[in-house]
Amino acid sequence: GAVVSQHPSRVICKSGTSVKIECRSLDFQATTMFWYRQFPKKSLMLMATSNEGSKATYEQGVEKDKFLINHASLTLSTLTVTSAHPEDSSFYICSAKGAGGRGSCTFGSGTRLTVV
Amino acid sequence: AQSVTQPDIHITVSEGASLELRCNYSYGATPYLFWYVQSPGQGLQLLLKYFSGDTLVQGIKGFEAEFKRSQSSFNLRKPSVHWSDAAEYFCAVGAQDSSYKLIFGSGTRLLVRP
Repeated sequence: GAVVSQHPSRVICKSGTSVKIECRSLDFQATTMFWYRQFPKKSLMLMATSNEGSKATYEQGVEKDKFLINHASLTLSTLTVTSAHPEDSSFYICSAKGAGGRGSCTFGSGTRLTVV
Repeated sequence: AQSVTQPDIHITVSEGASLELRCNYSYGATPYLFWYVQSPGQGLQLLLKYFSGDTLVQGIKGFEAEFKRSQSSFNLRKPSVHWSDAAEYFCAVGAQDSSYKLIFGSGTRLLVRP
């Protein structure tokens, strides 16, 4: 079945540094990927839609310059959290459109980011 | 605007008992509806989805859900819960501009008593 690999699963970084999270579709091509953020004990909030070969589309209230998204190939999208602060600590999950049938996406296993 | 409400934050059931998790949605047209399950620290696994047709949808792991347009509901059910079903369950609706963009409910945490 369709598999989406997300890496790293867990990262701790210092305030002010940048962190890159990768989302890779392993056995299918994903022209569109989505990035979600999940606060502790909360639901998932869509951050942005990542389209291969074009600029990402950000949801209202999401800082484009803080959360840089690059979708340079049909199997890879990256989310870079720039100049990270403790309030950016969260669980980030990607999903990829394409292999699960109409309307459904395959999710990665998530990345736990802790900024200290 | 589209929204999803899961009124129960926690539900505790005994192993072997039946389960129903509630989900209500707000949507202007025929919705695409999903149920996902998340184990602690993990990603999401699709249990089932509804697009059209038969309003009773069968999913994996013995789960089913029924779409009721008149009640704007898509409740998840399982006749006999197993201890391994303990997890967080999310109901979601596909956004109007793209059914692949999901709007999630706040989730229901299922606890299973031995």
